Amino acid sequence: DIVMTQTPLSSPVTLGQPASISCRSSQSLVHSDGNTYLSWLQQRPGQPPRLLIYKISNRFSGVPDRFSGSGAGTDFTLKISRVEAEDVGVYYCMQATQLRITFGQGTRLEIK
Amino acid sequence: EVQLVESGGGLVQPGGSLRLSCAASGFTFSSYWMSWVRQAPGKGLEWVANIKQDGSEKYYVDSVKGRFTISRDNAKNSLYLQMNSLRAEDTAVYYCASSWYRWGQGTLVTVSS
Repeated sequence: DIVMTQTPLSSPVTLGQPASISCRSSQSLVHSDGNTYLSWLQQRPGQPPRLLIYKISNRFSGVPDRFSGSGAGTDFTLKISRVEAEDVGVYYCMQATQLRITFGQGTRLEIK
Repeated sequence: EVQLVESGGGLVQPGGSLRLSCAASGFTFSSYWMSWVRQAPGKGLEWVANIKQDGSEKYYVDSVKGRFTISRDNAKNSLYLQMNSLRAEDTAVYYCASSWYRWGQGTLVTVSS
C-alpha cells in the first residue's frame, strides 16, 4: 500500500498569516490514465471530513480561494494564504490512485 | 439534497458482529464507487473498504480482511458493512463516503466487554 506522510503534524498559526502542509507519498501517484488522485480534506471538530482539493490542485465547489494545492509525483502541498478562525481543524492528504485508499496521519491546524 | 445516513452502530462484545447500513439519497447511487472509512477515538482517518458500482470489485484494508464484508443494494440505494469477529481495535466512528465529497455523519461502533 502507498504510505502518505504529512508534515508538520501540528501547525500553530496566527490569524491572517499563511499556513502550509506537506504530504509525501511512498510511490508516484500518477495513475495510468495520466491523472494524479491526490486530495486534501479538512475535518473540523465534531464534523465528518470535507473535501477541499482534488487531483492535486482543483478546489472543490464552495471552497474558499485562500486554499490551494500544488505538487507532482510524490510531493504535494496544501497552502492557506491567510488563515481564518474557521480553518481550525485537522487536514488530511489522501491518495486514490490505487483502489486501496490511504490517508496521511493528519495535520492539526490551530490558532496561536 | 444529497444525503448519506449511516446506521447500525452500537456496543458489541469482542468476537461479536454488527451490520452497518448507509442510506443514500439525492444522487445516482448506482453510478459511484462507495467506501467505508473509520476513525478511532482521537485518531486519524482509516479507509476500510470500497466497492465498485455493480459490486463486482471490492477492496479491504488488511486489518479487516476475512472479517468484514462490504456490499451494496442499488435498488435500495444502500451500502452495507457486515462486521464479524470484532475486536477492541475496531472501535471507531464509521463513515460511508462517495467520491470523497459526499460523507455521512458517521455511526459509532464500540467493541468492549
